[in-house]
Amino acid sequence: GAVVSQHPSWVICKSGTSVKIECRSLDFQATTMFWYRQFPKQSLMLMATSNEGSKATYEQGVEKDKFLINHASLTLSTLTVTSAHPEDSSFYICSARPTSGSFYEQYFGPGTRLTVT
Amino acid sequence: QKEVEQNSGPLSVPEGAIASLNCTYSDRVSQSFFWYRQYSGKSPELIMSIYSNGDKEDGRFTAQLNKASQYVSLLIRDSQPSDSATYLCAVNIDLLANAGGTSYGKLTFGQGTILTVHP
Repeated sequence: GAVVSQHPSWVICKSGTSVKIECRSLDFQATTMFWYRQFPKQSLMLMATSNEGSKATYEQGVEKDKFLINHASLTLSTLTVTSAHPEDSSFYICSARPTSGSFYEQYFGPGTRLTVT
Repeated sequence: QKEVEQNSGPLSVPEGAIASLNCTYSDRVSQSFFWYRQYSGKSPELIMSIYSNGDKEDGRFTAQLNKASQYVSLLIRDSQPSDSATYLCAVNIDLLANAGGTSYGKLTFGQGTILTVHP
């Protein structure tokens, strides 16, 4: 149980274009999902907290107009990187917290590797 | 002071030995503690969670929590080369909850300890 999927697993796009990444909880409902970014040899950096049916909460320094998050259902959250630039190239990982779970365990998706050329 | 601190390592142990990974945290009201394993190029995988003081065992893994000392550790017995990975300590530090607001379960991660188990 507790499986989270992400799509696509990798994407290459041109500078200035937008890219949408989907995060789905496959066998549980998740009121809250999280989006992280990880650069090579660095730890996870939380970008935003996504709650179903409400606006996402962004961490300090993360541009909300550049990283659009939508959490339209209890099993799906999307991250759209708008007007992507090479410095946005990174490993984007989502996680989901089961609605029925306690103590805040999070289950991670496999990640999406974004390369902006 | 960082909120969650780990020795970045690398920690190298021989196959069959016990690997000991340590983590300290700064927030006294933290209630939930997790260990994740991350293989190179992959996303983190939850391997242990612990919520109360003492030891929790699951197979070859034992998590130890000491809230008074703000310390959580992970022991891996009979280490195998397949255990070679980065181990991330995560703590629920939620300022909103601490201020009486709604907690969304945000986790704060340490920088990770690289473990290498050599044959």
